[in-house]
Order: sequence, then C-alpha cells, then structure tokens
Amino acid sequence: EDQVTQSPEALRLQEGESSSLNCSYTVSGLRGLFWYRQDPGKGPEFLFTLYSAGEEKEKERLKATLTKKESFLHITAPKPEDSATYLCAVPAGTGANSKLTFGKGITLSVRP
Amino acid sequence: SQTIHQWPATLVQPVGSPLSLECTVEGTSNPNLYWYRQAAGRGLQLLFYSVGIGQISSEVPQNLSASRPQDRQFILSSKKLLLSDSGFYLCAWKSTYDSPLHFGNGTRLTVT
Repeated sequence: EDQVTQSPEALRLQEGESSSLNCSYTVSGLRGLFWYRQDPGKGPEFLFTLYSAGEEKEKERLKATLTKKESFLHITAPKPEDSATYLCAVPAGTGANSKLTFGKGITLSVRP
Repeated sequence: SQTIHQWPATLVQPVGSPLSLECTVEGTSNPNLYWYRQAAGRGLQLLFYSVGIGQISSEVPQNLSASRPQDRQFILSSKKLLLSDSGFYLCAWKSTYDSPLHFGNGTRLTVT
C-alpha cells in the first residue's frame, strides 16, 4: 500500500534558524512528489513538484529535494510568515483513477 | 488563468438537516474534480472524485454523496447530517492524471 509519512509533526524555529522537513514515501513507481503549504482556515497551496531522485526546486527561502525514498523541504533563514502546515503527497493509482495520497503534514511555527 | 470557487466558507447545521456544498472551476475544461475532508491530526481524506460529467467515484462509504451536473461544477450533498460529518471540506481540481491538485479555500462545517 502506498504510504506517505512526514516528520516531525510540529517544528518550532526561531526566525533565521534554518531546518528541514522530511517526507518519506513508499510507492510503486514514483510519478512525482508534490509539496504544499497550508495556512490556517485555507486550502493547501501548491509549491513544488519533483519527479526524479536528485532533482531540486527552489522558491524564496524554500528548497525541495528528492531521493529514492524521501523528500526534504529545506527552509533557510525562515521568517514568521513561513509559519504554516507543509504537506507532501504522491500520486497513487493509474490513469484516470490517479489520486494523491497525502502525509499528515508538518506544522511549522517561526518565532520572531 | 484557472480559479476554483468553493462556498460557503463556514456553515453551522443541526443534526439531521441536509447539506449542499458547491464548487466551480473556471479557466479550464474537463478537469478532474475532487472532494476531500480534513480533520485535525488526521490529514486529508479523499471522499469523491470525478473524471467527467455524471461520473462519480466514492472512496469511502459514508453519509455523503457527490454529483457533477456540469463540466466545471462539483457538489457535495447529504440528506441527513451526522455529528461526525463536521470537518473542513476541500474541493480540488487537476488537469491531467499526475499533475498537481489545486484546492479551493474550503468550507468549515460544524454539525450541532
């Protein structure tokens, strides 16, 4: 069964304190890994797609990387506005029945 | 550009009352449409998805149903709400099988 596990469940950082969020997955034939950001009371916002091991994507203070078993979301010198829940997901199923399996998310709090 | 609209943003309903949540997508045609429920600490649970008008697939047996009367309209319904139906309901769309999902801003449903 395809699974996505995120750790830690919650992370508290001081402003400027860099860290990484982990997403490990078990899936037959990875067809992409997606990262989302979710603010309280809002829907998840798409950040990145990674397709193959070694691939990296960057956006402002965020950099996502991918290996054959896990993905990391590196946050460099975070600011309080980076506080949010970060979700990762992988496609499961094939063709028209392809659906995303989500991890439970990592809640990041950045203190000023 | 594509946009997704979901309403209402919040809803308080008594047990046993009916439910209708609506979602519409603009700027694309023949999208795949999804209804998710998000409960605290439990992640995103896929409820229904649709690959075309009148085509609905259910992921979990429950007190809810979905319909797609038009290409870019997706409706989540219930004839009689239960307390356990409370949660945060999210509509989402994607254009191709393994493309990222794009979410609406959700409906917070409280059943009293």
